[in-house]
Amino acid sequence: ETVMTQSPATLSVSPGERATLSCRASQSVAYNLAWYQMKPGQAPRLLISGAYARATGIPDRFRGSGSGTDFTLTISSLQSEDFAVYYCQQYNHWPRTFGQGTRVEIK
Amino acid sequence: EVQLLESGGGLVQPGGSLRLSCATSGFTFSNYAMTWVRQAPGKGLEWVSGISGSGDNTHYTDSVRGRFTISRDSSTNTLYLQMNSLRAEDTAVYYCAKDLRLITPGVFDCWGQGTLVTVSS
Repeated sequence: ETVMTQSPATLSVSPGERATLSCRASQSVAYNLAWYQMKPGQAPRLLISGAYARATGIPDRFRGSGSGTDFTLTISSLQSEDFAVYYCQQYNHWPRTFGQGTRVEIK
Repeated sequence: EVQLLESGGGLVQPGGSLRLSCATSGFTFSNYAMTWVRQAPGKGLEWVSGISGSGDNTHYTDSVRGRFTISRDSSTNTLYLQMNSLRAEDTAVYYCAKDLRLITPGVFDCWGQGTLVTVSS
């Protein structure tokens, strides 16, 4: 299966600062990469699909980039509501696979 | 408004069975693939199974293939997951999710709140 590796495991950021999250696939997934945000007690929320296309209602401070095996989610200016766990997920190969998550916490 | 509501979770002994349901509303059910994703306690997300909009195509992760069966009923707009031969490692919150696409599950744009399955003696 395609292993998705996210780094770092935890990112400590001050409000208003930029956060950069990485996701690497063990084989090429082309542009078939999605990002989700998950908060405690809530269902995941789709942020990005197709590596860079924001989902409906997602603010433009969230930007996805990359292709092939290396992807990045950038949050340009962290707001209080952005502190959460972020998962990448590939949908180029079966089974679909998620990364282990990056926790973005308040510094 | 799209709504997904899971039910059917609970405590079951190893080797037992459960059937999860996901009642949906707010969209044309047969036009979208659907998926089950789970999250074990303290762990990350794991894709479990997906089904095309027509129900003709199903997919499973290796650890559940042959034990779990995904299905859908367009007359009631409900997604199901029949889980047999349950193991302790199947303990998790199970989420149903609507896909962006019709045929091949891959991008999950709406999720339910989840139902907890606990496999323990």
